Amino acid sequence: TQLLEQSPQFLSIQEGENLTVYCNSSSVFSSLQWYRQEPGEGPVLLVTVVTGGEVKKLKRLTFQFGDARKDSSLHITAAQPGDTGLYLCAATPRAGTASKLTFGTGTRLQVTL
Amino acid sequence: KAGVTQTPRYLIKTRGQQVTLSCSPISGHRSVSWYQQTPGQGLQFLFEYFSETQRNKGNFPGRFSGRQFSNSRSEMNVSTLELGDSALYLCASSFGLAQETQYFGPGTRLLVL
Repeated sequence: TQLLEQSPQFLSIQEGENLTVYCNSSSVFSSLQWYRQEPGEGPVLLVTVVTGGEVKKLKRLTFQFGDARKDSSLHITAAQPGDTGLYLCAATPRAGTASKLTFGTGTRLQVTL
Repeated sequence: KAGVTQTPRYLIKTRGQQVTLSCSPISGHRSVSWYQQTPGQGLQFLFEYFSETQRNKGNFPGRFSGRQFSNSRSEMNVSTLELGDSALYLCASSFGLAQETQYFGPGTRLLVL
């Protein structure tokens, strides 16, 4: 079973600070996705990365896929209270099996004023 | 386009009872996956249905079962409930089996007393 470790588990920061969340595994992924989940809701897809070394930007969020496709990071610039939530990485172990996602352990982010 | 809907949103049962949860995918989506989310284990894959057939199954006991109807709506059933079955049960739909993007519903929160 592919294990995805996220760090840190919890993060409490003030508005305006920067932060980075990491997702690591010993296995190679065919693709990796980042989700954000708010209380009482299901996860919402933020981005999918498929190419080693790929960098994607979504406004203040920057996602990077490691060269070896075993790790990924999510960087948030100038965090806002609306960024609060549970951030989950999820991986597809091999192409064509995207529906069987393996989720990471999660990073719970709280951004305060 | 309406999102994934799940009913009921909240449920309280006692040990030994059985429960049925329902999921209506996004219109046109034919793949439905079910996940269990708990604070200790995170998000874990239960099973996936496509065209009324179970295509993938996670590592859960036989008490957990599901089915999909011809209109792609899906139900999951848990028999002989245990305290440890208390969790948020999430349903996700995608257009096909090999699609990268899954859209999650808000979940059904089950509490077993």
